[in-house]
Amino acid sequence: EIVMTQSPATLSVSPGERATLSCRASQSVSSNLAWYQQEPGQAPRLLIYGASTRATGIPARFSGSGSGTEFTLTISSLQSEDFAVYYCQQYDNWPITFGQGTRLEIK
Amino acid sequence: EVQLVESGGGLVQPGGSLRLSCAASGFTFSSYAMSWVRQAPGKGLEWVSAISGSGGSTYYADSVKGRFTISRDNAKNTLYLQMNSLRAEDTAVYYCAKDGQAVGAHQFDYWGQGTLVTVSS
Repeated sequence: EIVMTQSPATLSVSPGERATLSCRASQSVSSNLAWYQQEPGQAPRLLIYGASTRATGIPARFSGSGSGTEFTLTISSLQSEDFAVYYCQQYDNWPITFGQGTRLEIK
Repeated sequence: EVQLVESGGGLVQPGGSLRLSCAASGFTFSSYAMSWVRQAPGKGLEWVSAISGSGGSTYYADSVKGRFTISRDNAKNTLYLQMNSLRAEDTAVYYCAKDGQAVGAHQFDYWGQGTLVTVSS
């Protein structure tokens, strides 16, 4: 099983600033990596797939990068609605696995 | 508009069974693989099971293998999860999720609202 490790567990950033979230895979997943946002009480929302392709309707301030084992989600200028929990997910191999999440909170 | 609506959750005793359903609309259901993903209270996301568009291929997490069975009825546009021998650690919100592409990649572009399964005596 591929283990996905996200860092940090919690990130405190001020509105308008940039946030950088990391995700590491225990073995290469090529570019088969997705990012999700989850707000309290809501289902997750797909942000990025293929490591760097924004999903339909996702604002340009969200960007993804990386391949192999190291991935980054960057939110260029934080809006109030961006404070949530973010998960990475690999779909290169079965079983599909998620990272444990990064909580993005207001500083 | 794509919609996924889960049902069938509830309170069940340890060792009991439950069947979840997910009614899909707004897309060609048979063309897409579907998954179940769960989230224990206050915890992260855990993929549970997936099924191909035709239903011919199924995949399971080790934590549920041999106890849960995923299936689909493409004529009814409905996904199912039969859960047997339930344990306290199966307590979670269960989401059904649609693959983002018709072939290959298993990112999830649409999710249902979730149904809560509580395993407790």
